[in-house]
Amino acid sequence: GQNIDQPTEMTATEGAIVQINCTYQTSGFNGLFWYQQHAGEAPTFLSYNVLDGLEEKGRFSSFLSRSKGYSYLLLKELQMKDSASYLCAVRGGGANNLFFGTGTRLTVIP
Amino acid sequence: NAGVMQNPRHLVRRRGQEARLRCSPMKGHSHVYWYRQLPEEGLKFMVYLQKENIIDESGMPKERFSAEFPKEGPSILRIQQVVRGDSAAYFCASSPIGTDGYTFGSGTRLTVV
Repeated sequence: GQNIDQPTEMTATEGAIVQINCTYQTSGFNGLFWYQQHAGEAPTFLSYNVLDGLEEKGRFSSFLSRSKGYSYLLLKELQMKDSASYLCAVRGGGANNLFFGTGTRLTVIP
Repeated sequence: NAGVMQNPRHLVRRRGQEARLRCSPMKGHSHVYWYRQLPEEGLKFMVYLQKENIIDESGMPKERFSAEFPKEGPSILRIQQVVRGDSAAYFCASSPIGTDGYTFGSGTRLTVV
């Protein structure tokens, strides 16, 4: 089975940097994903890691350590529009479906 | 290239009625996934389908829920004899073979009254 843990809520200041952590246990591993979801809207894809290390994409970066079952999403130069839920998801070995954590609700304050 | 299309966006059903939720995947995508999201909770996997095949239905409740993805037409998630606890947002996602991630539809918000 899969178990994914991430903080429920975080608050950060506009212009700052925030790191959202995710730990997971899974039978087999075939990739870790981060999605952003604004209230009442569909999740949108942010990043994908399958090998250890850091993937950078503009203001967003995602890190993976497979040996530690750990990932983080780093958001730089926070903007008010970044207030949203951030969902960590893993794909188990041999399967194509993703299993999601409960999400971290990020509030950006002025 | 239209994204994943779900309809209806909002659906209200009385207890005991049937709910039918439709999902048309992105063009070229042959894999469809259904998720349920309760208020303030994460996305819960329900079922994974390819054309005319159910690949993984480990997240589907054993009764009242069924899903199909026919050769022609959209994927359908069907909930029979709905109860208040079925009220949730139901998201569909699609992917092509061997892709990195899904594209989600805008969801169907089911309210059972």
